[in-house]
Amino acid sequence: DTAVSQTPKYLVTQMGNDKSIKCEQNLGHDTMYWYKQDSKKFLKIMFSYNNKELIINETVPNRFSPKSPDKAHLNLHINSLELGDSAVYFCASSQDLPPKRLFFGSGTQLSVL
Amino acid sequence: EDQVTQSPEALRLQEGESSSLNCSYTVSGLRGLFWYRQDPGKGPEFLFTLYSAGEEKEKERLKATLTKKESFLHITAPKPEDSATYLCAGVSGGSYIPTFGRGTSLIVHP
Repeated sequence: DTAVSQTPKYLVTQMGNDKSIKCEQNLGHDTMYWYKQDSKKFLKIMFSYNNKELIINETVPNRFSPKSPDKAHLNLHINSLELGDSAVYFCASSQDLPPKRLFFGSGTQLSVL
Repeated sequence: EDQVTQSPEALRLQEGESSSLNCSYTVSGLRGLFWYRQDPGKGPEFLFTLYSAGEEKEKERLKATLTKKESFLHITAPKPEDSATYLCAGVSGGSYIPTFGRGTSLIVHP
């Protein structure tokens, strides 16, 4: 069983559309994260949830909205997609806070045309 | 502001040619220093967590060390399968969120 799973793996869409990326972890972890990785491999934190509560919300446009229906899921909804949103988005989870390690999903490659 | 800087940006080695990757950090109240490996099209894969200056951890051909200002990932006698991007991250004592560096892209030629 995959520990942290994201869907979809690839997402190609037009500017202005709204899309969602789903993330689920089966590790029983309390904390989940969304990172954005640009074309130069730089991983930048976007959001972090602990026990379904938002604990970190970095400088991210309001068009991005995370939702955590339960501790095992952290979804990312993006409104009015822009060209600059094209990147790979990674979901991660950790058992502890501060984390001793992060468990990453395999990523969602978003291409906005 | 927490910062993590990795060098070099890219490194090419011949098989068997040992070298080191550097990770310099300015993270308030460091609560852990991570090393990850990332292969193309995949998520980062955990290698090590270091917590205090002087600590060392080893795994096969890799050894990670930590000082008060930087961490090194030493690669001994690398093989082509060690080719990947290596990422370093510092965990802040304030936010508890890992801040990543921009990575070092390693290519090992046979």
